Amino acid sequence: GEKVEQHESTLSVREGDSAVINCTYTDTASSYFPWYKQEAGKSLHFVIDIRSNVDRKQSQRLTVLLDKKAKRFSLHITATQPEDSAIYFCAASPSNTGYQNFYFGKGTSLTVIP
Amino acid sequence: ETAVFQTPNYHVTQVGNEVSFNCKQTLGHDTMYWYKQDSKKLLKIMFSYNNKQLIVNETVPRRFSPQSSDKAHLNLRIKSVEPEDSAVYLCASRVGTGGAETLYFGSGTRLTVL
Repeated sequence: GEKVEQHESTLSVREGDSAVINCTYTDTASSYFPWYKQEAGKSLHFVIDIRSNVDRKQSQRLTVLLDKKAKRFSLHITATQPEDSAIYFCAASPSNTGYQNFYFGKGTSLTVIP
Repeated sequence: ETAVFQTPNYHVTQVGNEVSFNCKQTLGHDTMYWYKQDSKKLLKIMFSYNNKQLIVNETVPRRFSPQSSDKAHLNLRIKSVEPEDSAVYLCASRVGTGGAETLYFGSGTRLTVL
């Protein structure tokens, strides 16, 4: 099955700096890569995604890059703010079976220092 | 805005007891999931249900069983809990079985097994 590796378990940045979280996946059939955010004591919510037909997607301060050849994708957060502090999960979803399951990385705990 | 509702929020029980967790979604989605999040925040898919049909069982122990009365409800029963079952159980839903639709998570049920 798919295995998603999330390389940074913790990340600390100063407010205003950029943060980058990297993930790799194993299944070449994976074609959808969402990112989820989990704030302290709360559940996960969707932040941004990318499909395999593009290699870059931006939404305000968030950008996702996808390198299909290397089976790698990353989340870039610019101009970080304290409210960006949370655990970020990357996920990969193969869509070749008629249904989709989401396989999550282990999460990266991002701390933005004011 | 909460659209996936889980009850209870917390449950403390002893080894060998039976527990049942409820999940209801008001989004009109066709597919629902149960995930287990352990103390290290690792997310593992347990079940995937589409229109009351179990479409994935990720080899969880037999003491776990999903129960669904309609596509808006997916409950989780644990027949005889063990200490390693202590975790947060997250219910999620999404629109359908194909494509790349966002997962919506409930707030979770935290189970503590003494």
